[in-house]
Amino acid sequence: NAGVTQTPKFQVLKTGQSMTLQCAQDMNHNSMYWYRQDPGMGLRLIYYSASEGTTDKGEVPNGYNVSRLNKREFSLRLESAAPSQTSVYFCASRRSKAGGPRETQYFGPGTRLLVL
Amino acid sequence: DQQVKQNSPSLSVQEGRISILNCDYTNSMFDYFLWYKKYPAEGPTFLISISSIKDKNEDGRFTVFLNKSAKHLSLHIVPSQPGDSAVYFCAASDGSNYKLTFGKGTLLTVNP
Repeated sequence: NAGVTQTPKFQVLKTGQSMTLQCAQDMNHNSMYWYRQDPGMGLRLIYYSASEGTTDKGEVPNGYNVSRLNKREFSLRLESAAPSQTSVYFCASRRSKAGGPRETQYFGPGTRLLVL
Repeated sequence: DQQVKQNSPSLSVQEGRISILNCDYTNSMFDYFLWYKKYPAEGPTFLISISSIKDKNEDGRFTVFLNKSAKHLSLHIVPSQPGDSAVYFCAASDGSNYKLTFGKGTLLTVNP
C-alpha cells in the first residue's frame, strides 16, 4: 500500500516555464488537496477536490490550476512559473467527501520546486 | 490574519522529560483539532486529534489537551525520545467543511 505518491520529487524551472505536479492515492479516498509549505509559513491550501469531478480554490490559488483526473489522481499545474512559487508542495487525501466525519488527511512525501 | 498560532518556533528538551507544544486559535467555529509531525524531506504524518466535545485525548505517550474557553490546545509528549525530534504542526477545522488550517509549526529537538 503506497498511500499518497507524488512526482517529481524535485524540479528546477526557469521563470515562465510550465510544469505539472502529479499526485496519486491508492486508498480509495474521495477528497484530495494541494498545499505549499514555505519557511516559517506552515502549510497553506492551494486547491482541493471534495470528490471526483469537483475542484475548489483554497487560500493561495493564484498562479495554479488543478485537474481531478479520476478518483485516484489530482494534478497541480503551474502555467508560467514565478520565483515566488519556489516552495515544497504536498498533496494529501482524505477518505470522506465534504461534510463527512472528522477524519485526518494523509500526506505525500512532497515535491521540492525551485524557480529561478 | 493567522487563525492558528504556534508562537514557539522551536523547543528543546532532554530525553525522558516532558515536551509541551502549544497552539492557540482565534476562530470560534473550529471544532476539530489535529497534530501532525513532520520529519525533514517527508510529508506530515498524523499524530493525534481531539474534538471540541472533549478536553483531553490520549494515545500512548501523546496527550492533547483542549481549553475551549481560552482557545488553546497543547500536545504533551511523555517521556520524550530523540526520535520525537521533528516539526509539529497544529491544525484545525470547522464544522462546515473539511479544510484544515495549519499553524506555522514548532521544531522540537529532544537531546539524548
